[in-house]
Amino acid sequence: EVQLQESGPGLVKPSQSLSLTCSVTGYSITSNYWGWIRKFPGNKMEWMGYISYSGSTSYNPSLKSRISITRDTSKNQFFLQLNSVTTEDTATYYCASLGARYYFDYWGQGVMVTVSS
Amino acid sequence: DVVLTQTPPTLSATIGQSVSISCRSSQSLLHSNGNTYLHWLLQRPGQSPQLLIYSVSNLESGVPNRFSGSGSGTDFTLTIDPVEADDTATYFCQQSWNENTFGAGTKLELK
Repeated sequence: EVQLQESGPGLVKPSQSLSLTCSVTGYSITSNYWGWIRKFPGNKMEWMGYISYSGSTSYNPSLKSRISITRDTSKNQFFLQLNSVTTEDTATYYCASLGARYYFDYWGQGVMVTVSS
Repeated sequence: DVVLTQTPPTLSATIGQSVSISCRSSQSLLHSNGNTYLHWLLQRPGQSPQLLIYSVSNLESGVPNRFSGSGSGTDFTLTIDPVEADDTATYFCQQSWNENTFGAGTKLELK
C-alpha cells in the first residue's frame, strides 16, 4: 500500500522559504505522478504542483515564480520549496499521489505550516 | 482557470436520508479522449482528504456503494443514500481537465 508522510518546519518567517519533504513507501516515485496540495484556514484547497515519474514538473500558474518541486529517487522522497512566503501561505500542506486521470488517490497526513514573525 | 461551484455549502441530514451535492464547472470537463476529469473527495474532521469517486462515477476501492456520482459536461452530482453517521465530513469536487482546481466544499452535518 502506498503511504506518504510530510515533514518540515511548522513555523516559517515571512520572506523566507518554506521547505517540506514527502517520504513515500510502498511505491516508487519513478512511477506515477506526485503532487502538493494545500488547504487554507476556511477550507479552500489549492493544487500547488506535481512532479512526474521522469522528473518533469507542472506548477499552479499562481505560484510559478515562487515554487519548486524536486525529488531524490534514492530516498524515494520528493520536496516542496516555496520562496518569499507571506502570512497568506499559512496552510496545511499535503503531498499526494496522482492516479491515471490526475485525481489524488493517496494522501499524506498533512503538515500545518504557519507563516509568522 | 476552471472554476468549480459547489452547492450547498452546508447540508444537514438525518441518518437514513438521501442527500445530493452539486458541482458545476465553468467549462466542460469532457476531454477529447472521451474521459471526464471530475472527481470527488471527502475530508473527515482531523483527517487528510480521501478519494471517493473518480471520473464522475467510478467508486474508489473500499468506498461503500451508498456513494454514487453522476453528471456530464459541466454539471455533476454526488449522492449519498442512505446517509450514515460516519459520513460527517466536508466533500470536495476536483477537476483535472485543465491543471487542477477544487470546489469550495460542502460540509455535511447530522441532525
